[in-house]
Amino acid sequence: KAGVTQTPRYLIKTRGQQVTLSCSPISGHRSVSWYQQTPGQGLQFLFEYFSETQRNKGNFPGRFSGRQFSNSRSEMNVSTLELGDSALYLCASSFQASSYEQYFGPGTRLTVT
Amino acid sequence: DQQVKQNSPSLSVQEGRISILNCDYTNSMFDYFLWYKKYPAEGPTFLISISSIKDKNEDGRFTVFLNKSAKHLSLHIVPSQPGDSAVYFCAASGRADAGNMLTFGGGTRLMVKP
Repeated sequence: KAGVTQTPRYLIKTRGQQVTLSCSPISGHRSVSWYQQTPGQGLQFLFEYFSETQRNKGNFPGRFSGRQFSNSRSEMNVSTLELGDSALYLCASSFQASSYEQYFGPGTRLTVT
Repeated sequence: DQQVKQNSPSLSVQEGRISILNCDYTNSMFDYFLWYKKYPAEGPTFLISISSIKDKNEDGRFTVFLNKSAKHLSLHIVPSQPGDSAVYFCAASGRADAGNMLTFGGGTRLMVKP
C-alpha cells in the first residue's frame, strides 16, 4: 500500500504571496490532518478534514485554510505569506476521523523570503 | 506556553544499552500519550502509545511509562540499536473526539553508537 504523499516537497515563496500544498492520503483513508513544524514552536496541529468537511481546527489565523476532495485528497492554502510561515508542513491520514493512529507524509518544506 | 516538554534535545547511548527518553506535560486534561520516531526527510512514524488509565505499555524493545501524579512519561528502548537513531517526539491528546489534535514536545535526538 502506498504511503501518504505530499507535493511539492520543497517550495520557495516571497512574502505576500499565497501557496497551495497537496496531500494524497493512504488509499482508503478518509481523514487528513495538517501540521506545521517550526524550530521555535515544534509540531502544531493545523486542521483536520474528514469526508470533505473540516472537523477540528488548531490555533492558527484565517490565512491558513484547507479543503478536501471527494477522493480524500486534501489541499492546504496559506495566503499573504509571512516570514514566520517558513516551516515543514506535514499531513497525516487515518481511516477514521479524529484517530490517534495517523500516518504521516514526508512533508513540504516551505521557505518564505 | 509549552504544554508538552522534552527537556533533553539530544541523547547519546551505546549500542546494546538502554535509552531513556523523557517527556513532561502540564495539562491535566491530557488522557492519551504517544511516541513518534522521525528520520530525516521522512514524516513521523507512530511508535507506541499509552492511555492515562495505564502506567505501562510494552511493545517489543519499547516500553512507555506514565506517571500521572508527576505528569511525566518516559520511553525506554532496550537494547538500543544503531537503527534507533532518530528524533523522538512525545505527543498528548486531551479530547476523545479529537484524538488527532495532538500537542507535541520539541523532540529528542537519539544517537546510538555502534
